Amino acid sequence: SQQGEEDPQALSIQEGENATMNCSYKTSINNLQWYRQNSGRGLVHLILIRSNEREKHSGRLRVTLDTSKKSSSLLITASRAADTASYFCATPPRSNYQLIWGAGTKLIIKP
Amino acid sequence: DGGITQSPKYLFRKEGQNVTLSCEQNLNHDAMYWYRQDPGQGLRLIYYSQIVNDFQKGDIAEGYSVSREKKESFPLTVTSAQKNPTAFYLCASTMGEDRAEAFFGQGTRLTVV
Repeated sequence: SQQGEEDPQALSIQEGENATMNCSYKTSINNLQWYRQNSGRGLVHLILIRSNEREKHSGRLRVTLDTSKKSSSLLITASRAADTASYFCATPPRSNYQLIWGAGTKLIIKP
Repeated sequence: DGGITQSPKYLFRKEGQNVTLSCEQNLNHDAMYWYRQDPGQGLRLIYYSQIVNDFQKGDIAEGYSVSREKKESFPLTVTSAQKNPTAFYLCASTMGEDRAEAFFGQGTRLTVV
């Protein structure tokens, strides 16, 4: 069920910098979601973008969606140490009740 | 507060032993999922269930079994046939065809001793 791909696999930046991670998917979708996972914990939903939207904002998060390229990006602005986590994208295929997950980007924010 | 509860948080299994991981939700969600996560890796789907008394195999179902007798509960049994069960197990649930937001439990870390 892991069709999505994310890059980079790992990203290490200084606190205060912006972090960008990308997700690609293969099937047609109704929406694309981004999640955060702190080490040893469950995933937490961050933001959802629908297939008819191109960009969405939530606080320091900005998500874009390009359905022609089957890709999405998540931008975290003014990063903080607390943003250190793994970030995953997920898409619900129209054909079944699964969620297709990307491999994840491990983000490290250096103080 | 609504949410998903997984128990136990840590579980130790002896070789050849079956163990059952609990997952309970009070969100009134229809669909529930079990994932396995190995260190530094993504999520791999074990089983999922859309409705009560129905479930489907995911990508790595061999050596695992599930039941869905109640909407709120989706226990996972790791059988002795699973040769490498040491991993982090996550349960999740979603509502509706949109699956717009998955809620996750805090996970169970299973170790074979």
